[in-house]
Amino acid sequence: IQLTQSPSFLSASVGDRVTITCRASQGISSYLAWYQQKPGKAPKLLIYAASTLQSGVPSRFSGSGSGTEFTLTISSLQPEDFATYYCQQLNSYPITFGQGTRLEIK
Amino acid sequence: EVQLVESGGGLVQPGGSLRLSCAASGFTVSSNYMSWVRQAPGKGLEWVSVIYSGGSTYYADSVKGRFTISRDNSKNTLYLQMNSLRAEDTAVYYCARTTLPDRVFDYWGQGTLVTVSS
Repeated sequence: IQLTQSPSFLSASVGDRVTITCRASQGISSYLAWYQQKPGKAPKLLIYAASTLQSGVPSRFSGSGSGTEFTLTISSLQPEDFATYYCQQLNSYPITFGQGTRLEIK
Repeated sequence: EVQLVESGGGLVQPGGSLRLSCAASGFTVSSNYMSWVRQAPGKGLEWVSVIYSGGSTYYADSVKGRFTISRDNSKNTLYLQMNSLRAEDTAVYYCARTTLPDRVFDYWGQGTLVTVSS
């Protein structure tokens, strides 16, 4: 199952609302997760089951979608949110990730 | 506190072998699904392998037949035996705990770099 994220690159300002889209090549129900990765660090789980916030993750992060189209929304960007974001499907093996969305400060 | 610490990375020649280790603390490896994920320099994430608590294993097509995932319950440690290494296997390798029922990766190690080059 291929995952395509858009955009691949996003430039935004602190306080902005941003949305990242992840499209699956076939239906994956709600078996989708989102991760945040900062340079030189391991990925961090943000959201699973498409819309469930991982414990400890700020509520400005939210996820939605099912089937083939999913979104990650950050309601008000904070300085620590500038990173690369990946979606991941867990519907079937091989587990796959999107190509990533790099979020940079404008 | 859950911790995962990888080791065993390094420089290896094409065709060579390497065994990565992932020492876990704060939980029991054998009671969980455990995965390996890799990231080539400047590239995205690629799932490599998973081992179920019951012992079943799955691999990405790119490593099938060359890599073997295993665990040592007495050491609470996960392993990845990598044989017939290729230049395209060069990456940072992460181990990750895979939580049920959603099978997401909730804890990750810091990663270990494997470089395949002559």
